[in-house]
Amino acid sequence: DAGVIQSPRHEVTEMGQEVTLRCKPISGHNSLFWYRQTMMRGLELLIYFNNNVPIDDSGMPEDRFSAKMPNASFSTLKIQPSEPRDSAVYFCASSPGQFNEKLFFGSGTQLSVL
Amino acid sequence: AQSVAQPEDQVNVAEGNPLTVKCTYSVSGNPYLFWYVQYPNRGLQFLLKYITGDNLVKGSYGFEAEFNKSQTSFHLKKPSALVSDSALYFCAVRDGGPFTGGGNKLTFGTGTQLKVEL
Repeated sequence: DAGVIQSPRHEVTEMGQEVTLRCKPISGHNSLFWYRQTMMRGLELLIYFNNNVPIDDSGMPEDRFSAKMPNASFSTLKIQPSEPRDSAVYFCASSPGQFNEKLFFGSGTQLSVL
Repeated sequence: AQSVAQPEDQVNVAEGNPLTVKCTYSVSGNPYLFWYVQYPNRGLQFLLKYITGDNLVKGSYGFEAEFNKSQTSFHLKKPSALVSDSALYFCAVRDGGPFTGGGNKLTFGTGTQLKVEL
């Protein structure tokens, strides 16, 4: 298995633009997580899905952030409009089940908003 | 609420010496505890976990961690450090319940940078 696949690897955009981050979880995994990593705040859970259904989105910082999981093999995290303070590394992770704590992380998307 | 603290931003150790990376936690129920490692420009990788049972947990790459309920700690250890162990290490916790509402919401610490030198 190729592991969790995220795209793009790097994204540079201007303030106000829409940004879409993509994630393909490991096949057969039922849970998917979006995390954000910054020097100031560390690793923060933004949202997680189980069987394509959002379970907890309390970490989503603002209405500018939205996440979808239309099927078991694909998820997106969208920021519209983007702001410089959104600059961070965004990680997607998946796990075999809702109560299986071993998370498999993708390599992340480095987002820079100018 | 669940939380985890990693009191050291950086730990330096000579190759061949034992290493310890500290972690303390706070949960209202039973703690589920984890260690993950992050190499530069990569995602986190699972090292080991404690759910129940033996307080000494063995994981990948020769690492182990000791659960201490009275001290609410879960320190990561390795008897003999390697230069290749240099990386960012994260402790994480989930409240195992009861009354946590289920789910798989891990709270991560701020990370400890381990530097192993020759």
